[in-house]
Amino acid sequence: GENVEQHPSTLSVQEGDSAVIKCTYSDSASNYFPWYKQELGKRPQLIIDIRSNVGEKKDQRIAVTLNKTAKHFSLHITETQPEDSAVYFCAAKGGYQKVTFGIGTKLQVIP
Amino acid sequence: KAGVTQTPRYLIKTRGQQVTLSCSPISGHRSVSWYQQTPGQGLQFLFEYFSETQRNKGNFPGRFSGRQFSNSRSEMNVSTLELGDSALYLCASMKPSTGGQAHEQFFGPGTRLTVL
Repeated sequence: GENVEQHPSTLSVQEGDSAVIKCTYSDSASNYFPWYKQELGKRPQLIIDIRSNVGEKKDQRIAVTLNKTAKHFSLHITETQPEDSAVYFCAAKGGYQKVTFGIGTKLQVIP
Repeated sequence: KAGVTQTPRYLIKTRGQQVTLSCSPISGHRSVSWYQQTPGQGLQFLFEYFSETQRNKGNFPGRFSGRQFSNSRSEMNVSTLELGDSALYLCASMKPSTGGQAHEQFFGPGTRLTVL
């Protein structure tokens, strides 16, 4: 089955700096890669996703890159703000297969 | 459009008991997945139901089971509860894939289960 590895598990950055979270997946059939943000005590919510036919996608301060050959995908947050502090999960899904999540990255933005 | 709802939100049980959790997906969504979330373990996939059929299953013991009804509402059951079953149980719904392309999952608020 699919295996998704995510790192780092914790990340502290100064406000205004950039944050990068990296994930790798094992199933070459995976074609959909969402990223979820979970604030303390709340449900995970989608912040950005990318499909396998796209190499990069950007939405304001958030961007995701995908390297299908290396089976890597990354989340980039620029100009971080305190409200970006949360746990971020990457995931991979192929066709009708289940969504497999990474272990999560706890991001702390220090004011 | 109403979001995914889960009941109950909190539950306290003792070892050996059984529990049933309920999930109502977003209208029109036919896929419902269940996850167990514990500190340090992320989101562990339990199973997915689509049109009343279990389509995928994670690596959990047979004490964990589920079902889906014709209106897409889903229930999961845990029998013979163990202390280690204490967790946040999240369900997520998704609209049917189009052209082979997956769509995002929408999560419910979760049910916090505590086993004493």
